[in-house]
Amino acid sequence: QKEVEQDPGPLSVPEGAIVSLNCTYSNSAFQYFMWYRQYSRKGPELLMYTYSSGNKEDGRFTAQVDKSSKYISLFIRDSQPSDSATYLCAMSALGIQGAQKLVFGQGTRLTINP
Amino acid sequence: ETGVTQSPTHLIKTRGQQVTLRCSSQSGHNTVSWYQQALGQGPQFIFQYYREEENGRGNFPPRFSGLQFPNYSSELNVNALELDDSALYLCASSAEYEQYFGPGTRLTVT
Repeated sequence: QKEVEQDPGPLSVPEGAIVSLNCTYSNSAFQYFMWYRQYSRKGPELLMYTYSSGNKEDGRFTAQVDKSSKYISLFIRDSQPSDSATYLCAMSALGIQGAQKLVFGQGTRLTINP
Repeated sequence: ETGVTQSPTHLIKTRGQQVTLRCSSQSGHNTVSWYQQALGQGPQFIFQYYREEENGRGNFPPRFSGLQFPNYSSELNVNALELDDSALYLCASSAEYEQYFGPGTRLTVT
């Protein structure tokens, strides 16, 4: 079983829809939760960063963490064609000497149709 | 743009050869991590360097090695290349817990 599970999709929605992306994880030591967006042939771009449980909102993006269920979500409101990309969840536990290894999901490929 | 740069952009090598990839950290960041991303997969952690010392390593063999320099730039070296080493190699720099990625080096091993 992988430490982090993410539905690879692909997911296709019309412009303006609300998108929900999710990951589950098995390691209860994870404390830091991130969402990255990756365009084709580019490096991952940090979208949202959350420590422990709770919600965080940034513009059209909302990240939720439920540590009791080991479940994290990213919501995109008023989706735009420019949001079409692969979305990666990532999480970590603080390691020895401050080392922080990010464990990624497989990524969900999202397409927003005009 | 994150300010993290990597070189080269693309590289083609033959099985058994050695390769060196380079990364320049974002200004003010003293930690560099390297990841391998196979096609259609999420990045896999290779190792992390903090103030020129390796302080964390993933499940990669010793033929994957690295260096961090006093200016916090970094190198990833891979010896005895195998076909399965073909991937996008990403470096990420950080000062605290958030890691910012460069554009990656796409390595093809034939």
